[in-house]
Amino acid sequence: SYVLTQPSSVSVAPGKTARITCGGNNIERKSVHWYQQKPGQAPLLVIYHDSDRPSGIPERVSGSNSGNTATLTISSVEAGDEADYYCQVWDSSSGHRRIFGGGTKLTVL
Amino acid sequence: EVQLVESGGGLIQPGGSLRLSCAASGLTVSDNFMNWVRQAPGKGLEWVSILYDGGSTYYGDSVKGRFTISRDNSKNTLYLQMNRLRVEDTAVYYCAREKALASGSPDGFDIWGPGTMVTVSS
Repeated sequence: SYVLTQPSSVSVAPGKTARITCGGNNIERKSVHWYQQKPGQAPLLVIYHDSDRPSGIPERVSGSNSGNTATLTISSVEAGDEADYYCQVWDSSSGHRRIFGGGTKLTVL
Repeated sequence: EVQLVESGGGLIQPGGSLRLSCAASGLTVSDNFMNWVRQAPGKGLEWVSILYDGGSTYYGDSVKGRFTISRDNSKNTLYLQMNRLRVEDTAVYYCAREKALASGSPDGFDIWGPGTMVTVSS
């Protein structure tokens, strides 16, 4: 079955740029979605269809997808961005499974 | 306002059964791709099941044959019947609406409920 690989943690100083990767075989052929989850809360969709932002998500949050890696980029990082981030795809080749990456803890130093 | 609210969680012994509910407001369950996603304590997200608008259902390997997803259109409510529960089913269970493209392909979970906790323990 299809596997998504994320780093377990990423640390960044306030005001800098955070990049969280999501690796998968030929992931560029899939539509990648990203979720932010803060402690005790439900996940929040922050990027869908590789690079589209839902209403209310700031422009400093962006996504890209190329080759075997999708990337979530958060520029001008703020303390409020500290959270767990998950990538997700639909694995059409294995039926109708939805696959999540293992998650990345973003720490703002 | 669009809202999903889960209920039905609790403490249950291994081998037992539990039915979770997800009451929707501001959207019609039968018109949408509706999913259950779970999260074990301190762990990541795991997709559990989907009920398509057309009525087709699919399950993750870890719950196939034990869990059943369904809906009651008159109550605008999604359900998850969980049988033969195991300790490893302990998790927060989220109900989530999945966006759909015009082509019918899924496009991300954009609406989530707050979740309901299920604890399987003797």
